[in-house]
Formats: sequence, structure tokens, C-alpha cells
Amino acid sequence: EAGVTQFPSHSVIEKGQTVTLRCDPISGHDNLYWYRRVMGKEIKFLLHFVKESKQDESGMPNNRFLAERTGGTYSTLKVQPAELEDSGVYFCASSLTEMSEQYFGPGTRLTVT
Amino acid sequence: AQKVTQAQTEISVVEKEDVTLDCVYETRDTTYYLFWYKQPPSGELVFLIRRNSFDEQNEISGRYSWNFQKSTSSFNFTITASQVVDSAVYFCALRMDSSYKLIFGSGTRLLVRP
Repeated sequence: EAGVTQFPSHSVIEKGQTVTLRCDPISGHDNLYWYRRVMGKEIKFLLHFVKESKQDESGMPNNRFLAERTGGTYSTLKVQPAELEDSGVYFCASSLTEMSEQYFGPGTRLTVT
Repeated sequence: AQKVTQAQTEISVVEKEDVTLDCVYETRDTTYYLFWYKQPPSGELVFLIRRNSFDEQNEISGRYSWNFQKSTSSFNFTITASQVVDSAVYFCALRMDSSYKLIFGSGTRLLVRP
């Protein structure tokens, strides 16, 4: 069974540009999460989907970040316009239920120059 | 507030040495879960273990062992006879019973030298 996949693995963009990150959860997992690790610090929660609905986006840093999960399958996280402080590793995770184990993808390393 | 502290930023050991990664957590909840994840060079976070707050028994899995002590709010991870393949960043995390959010520490980078 395929695990959580993320694309791209690495993205380098200039300040002010737009980037879209994609996450494909494990098949059948209704719950999808985005986390971010900035500057070697702790990994922080960004938001949570149940199917196509955003349940909790309390961790989203600001309105330059937009997450979607159309059809309840894969999810995208768009950063527009990107700022230097957005650089970091963006992780996606999925789980069968809200309280079951979260399985993480390999992350997307975003570098904003 | 809940918090996880991994005070060791980086540890370097020689192969076959034992190494302990420290994790201290803060929470006022009585029911919670503690986790360890491994992030190898390939990047993904690999789940290693989950413990609930009512189970203080130490756990051993091969060369890995975990020491959970509620009295000191610690959940330390020991690798016995370390190997080069153990080189990775290790994250400790906390989750409340009432929440799905994982609260991570800042990670400890372990380098095992041949």
C-alpha cells in the first residue's frame, strides 16, 4: 500500500512568487493534516481536513496560505505571495480517524530567496 | 500550555555506543499520548512508538528502548549498540486525548560515525 506522497520534494522560488504544494494521503484516510518545520525548529500544526472539509486551520500563519482538498482526496497548499520566512519543510500526514496514528509524507522543502 | 522540549540539538557517537535522546514534556491533562518519530535523510517522518499516559511500563523493541517517567515528565529514548543507519533526526511529540494535533519538540540530530 502506498504511503503519503508529497510533490515536489524541493521547491526554490523568489520572494513574491506563488508555490503550490501537493499531498496525496493514504487511500481511504479521511483525515489529512499539514504541518511545517521552519528554521530547524519544532514541527508545527497548520491545519486539518476531514474529507473535503477544513476542520481546523488554527495553525495557518496568515492569509497568504490557502489549503484545499477538493473531492476529499489529495490536498494542495498554496503560498501566495511567498515571503522569506515561509522557507521550511512542509509535511503532510493522514490518518484513518482523528485519533488514530498519523502517517507522514517525506515533506516538501520550500526555499524562498 | 502544552510543550515538548528536546534539549539536545545534536549528538554524535561512534558506532556501537549506546545513546539516549531526552524528551521532556509539559501538560496539565491527565490523559495524553507520547510519540517518537525518526526522520532519516530521505525526509519522511517514521513512526516509532506511542505511549499513553496511563502506561508507564518501559518498552523495548530490538535495540530501541523507551523510558517513560511521569514523575519527571520525561519520555527518553535509548538506542543500544548504535549503528550508522540510526543516523537521523528524532522527534518527540505529545498529543492530548481530546485533540488530534501533534505537538513536536525541535528534534535531536543523531550522527553515528563508523
